[in-house]
Amino acid sequence: NAGVMQNPRHLVRRRGQEARLRCSPMKGHSHVYWYRQLPEEGLKFMVYLQKENIIDESGMPKERFSAEFPKEGPSILRIQQVVRGDSAAYFCASSRSGGSYIAGELFFGEGSRLTVL
Amino acid sequence: DQQVKQNSPSLSVQEGRISILNCDYTNSMFDYFLWYKKYPAEGPTFLISISSIKDKNEDGRFTVFLNKSAKHLSLHIVPSQPGDSAVYFCAASAPMGGNQFYFGTGTSLTVIP
Repeated sequence: NAGVMQNPRHLVRRRGQEARLRCSPMKGHSHVYWYRQLPEEGLKFMVYLQKENIIDESGMPKERFSAEFPKEGPSILRIQQVVRGDSAAYFCASSRSGGSYIAGELFFGEGSRLTVL
Repeated sequence: DQQVKQNSPSLSVQEGRISILNCDYTNSMFDYFLWYKKYPAEGPTFLISISSIKDKNEDGRFTVFLNKSAKHLSLHIVPSQPGDSAVYFCAASAPMGGNQFYFGTGTSLTVIP
């Protein structure tokens, strides 16, 4: 799973600033998932993307959060006007095909830890 | 709405003994279950999975048991080793439930040498 690359690993932002988290999936994977882990909680699904398409964003907060996976380049999770409650670890995962359980499993990156001051 | 629950936040086991991690779920549509292992400051890594058509899957020291009627699964590690000390997450997915996995809150396993 070392093939899923996330950056930055750590990001500190002040309230009101923007946070951008990047994820490059494993080679050969065209499906990307973003999960968030709040302190003392499990992983919560946010969004599932394929190249140039958002497939399922049912876990995304309605405001301030957006995600994209362009034809070229990494997937980006963008948080505008961050608040302290956005402080969390954000994990990206990729799979070879859609419906990850068909592929067997998701491959996770090491996460990006956002701290909002 | 926590559809996958791991009610034990932590577990300590002596090296060489069996570790049993439990997971309960509420959605009867779940048909695929996985266990992930996570070390501090790292991403979760896949450990073992089971389809709802089976009640047991074994891979080396790791065995996952599924009890569909009780909506319960467990992970057995035997013999436990200090390197197994990590947080273990149970996850589930449904074929018609979109493309997301539902994760439990994790159980922190400590294997005491």
